[in-house]
Amino acid sequence: DVKVTQSSRYLVKRTGEKVFLECVQDMDHENMFWYRQDPGLGLRLIYFSYDVKMKEKGDIPEGYSVSREKKERFSLILESASTNQTSMYLCASSLWGDMSNQPQHFGDGTRLSIL
Amino acid sequence: DAKTTQPTSMDCAEGRAANLPCNHSTISGNEYVYWYRQIHSQGPQYIIHGLKNNETNEMASLIITEDRKSSTLILPHATLRDTAVYYCIVSAYTGANSKLTFGKGITLSVRP
Repeated sequence: DVKVTQSSRYLVKRTGEKVFLECVQDMDHENMFWYRQDPGLGLRLIYFSYDVKMKEKGDIPEGYSVSREKKERFSLILESASTNQTSMYLCASSLWGDMSNQPQHFGDGTRLSIL
Repeated sequence: DAKTTQPTSMDCAEGRAANLPCNHSTISGNEYVYWYRQIHSQGPQYIIHGLKNNETNEMASLIITEDRKSSTLILPHATLRDTAVYYCIVSAYTGANSKLTFGKGITLSVRP
């Protein structure tokens, strides 16, 4: 089974802090994704990566950056945390190839609170 | 991406089949139908997907109508652990636009 592991289930940080969210997958997947999930808004894509050191902006990249130095690890960085970034953050991965036919597999999420 | 319409909620008895409907009348030829579920406080879990043929795996069956305008997810023997929000998604992955658009989903409650 695909295993996508997010480093923290719950995290509390202060406004202005730099925050790192880590995600590791163990299935040698090329694609990795970061979403945030908010009530009434569903999942929104922040960034994704289709290869090491490659990244693409999603729908809401402002205030975030990402890093993919190794194939199995994809990090989301909040450069200067703000209260409107309080959310559930979800990491996912999928195989490359025919991307329309590749399901994404999710981690259990990190519930981040910015005070 | 084509939009989907699902009922807000449904329930079924433990041990019985749960049939979850989804309408996607504007689906286009290269769009797949995906089903995910999300149990409270967990990440979405992939269940099954298909293009036009019916599909079955260890978790569920997916029945897609011939005109592809609707589909049904079948959980053959529902258990209490199947209580979750189920999302029907229609999506064509297109490189830089590869993303999943989750709607409100249908809340399935399995009763003892």
